[in-house]
Amino acid sequence: QVQLEESGPGLVKPSQTLSLTCTVSRGSIDNGASYWGWIRQHPDKGLEWIGHVYHTGLTYYNPSLESRVSLSVDKSKNQFSLRLSSVTAADTAVYYCVRDPALVGARGSAFDIWGQGTKVTVSS
Amino acid sequence: IILTQSPATLSVSLGESATLSCRASQSLDSGFAWYQQKPGQAPRLLIYGTSTRATGIPARFSGSGSGTEFTLSISSLQSEDSAIYFCQQYNNWPPPLTFGGGTKVQIK
Repeated sequence: QVQLEESGPGLVKPSQTLSLTCTVSRGSIDNGASYWGWIRQHPDKGLEWIGHVYHTGLTYYNPSLESRVSLSVDKSKNQFSLRLSSVTAADTAVYYCVRDPALVGARGSAFDIWGQGTKVTVSS
Repeated sequence: IILTQSPATLSVSLGESATLSCRASQSLDSGFAWYQQKPGQAPRLLIYGTSTRATGIPARFSGSGSGTEFTLSISSLQSEDSAIYFCQQYNNWPPPLTFGGGTKVQIK
């Protein structure tokens, strides 16, 4: 069973860039059958999809975050990463990396594997 | 697409059934999923394709619906079913994928 683990700083200052990495274990990021993504959960428990990245580097982003977000893949390390720029307190959340098994072909679908989540606080 | 879940909280006795609802702001096809989240844990996929149980999910969980109305049913509620349940649509593509606000199921 594929496992995902997030890593990165738990505290980021306002206006700076949040950077997180997800390490894929017990499977290959290059399997061609999955998308890899990020979802965050705000303190009020609401879930927000951030974006998807395919092993080729193809990306899809939530339009509400598109101007600030960037996802990338490092196949040599079996990792994918999130960068979110110009953060504010509203970006404080638990960030999850996820696998989307592409249930309906070359488009986003449901998320069958989740990392344990990493809490990121934006504060000076 | 906005997803509205109801009720916000549901209190059910052990062994009874629970019915959770999710209403979409526009009609969807079968691109619909449900998740369960327990305190301190990541969400877990229960149902995808409106009615298909994910691997390892007990048969007491079932999904149904079409158009703008979708339902998650839990029969014979057990103590470990106490959790928050989220709906999600993946009908809308290109993005965004969206989630409902959640229903908290607690044991009465």
